[in-house]
Amino acid sequence: GQQLNQSPQSMFIQEGEDVSMNCTSSSIFNTWLWYKQDPGEGPVLLIALYKAGELTSNGRLTAQFGITRKDSFLNISASIPSDVGIYFCAGQRRAGAAGNKLTFGGGTRVLVKP
Amino acid sequence: GAGVSQTPSNKVTEKGKYVELRCDPISGHTALYWYRQSLGQGPEFLIYFQGTGAADDSGLPNDRFFAVRPEGSVSTLKIQRTERGDSAVYLCASGTGANTGELFFGEGSRLTVL
Repeated sequence: GQQLNQSPQSMFIQEGEDVSMNCTSSSIFNTWLWYKQDPGEGPVLLIALYKAGELTSNGRLTAQFGITRKDSFLNISASIPSDVGIYFCAGQRRAGAAGNKLTFGGGTRVLVKP
Repeated sequence: GAGVSQTPSNKVTEKGKYVELRCDPISGHTALYWYRQSLGQGPEFLIYFQGTGAADDSGLPNDRFFAVRPEGSVSTLKIQRTERGDSAVYLCASGTGANTGELFFGEGSRLTVL
């Protein structure tokens, strides 16, 4: 089952708004990643974080690796219609035999405000 | 092609039948992952290959599921005696090597078991 909890589960955006979402875990991960998935496609990597406390930007996206290594957040500034989709956080332990696999959260669904 | 290629894109089968799903990773990528994604959920890890060997198969749900990567490139996921609960999108991803969480996903193979 999923070990990563994402919130909110869904949100509505209006063009120009800033959006925030986060991901928490009961256990430590040594790498945090954020992926976006559009309908009928596979997830696409947005940002990768490798150090606790790290803050990384990619265009209008900013993500942080929590200092406890048990959480991460993603911000999207000045949202545009193509930001609609499902955002997944993923953690990787990078240690031990099972350390390479990514564990994914349940996703945050970003929808356009009607 | 430049990306991860998965075939078939859609497969409808009857309960009890055998199914093979194929993944052609990005050329030169040594790491290959299979994930399963049910409707409304995040991807769930099945198996990870580094080269030809299955380095971590801890996510395979039972012995009806098996995967191979005989030449370290193309991989096949094999499901025997399919059950309705096997219906999902099966995603393949490849990466440049061990320890990277920066994966490139295919579009997935949607399996429906009637």
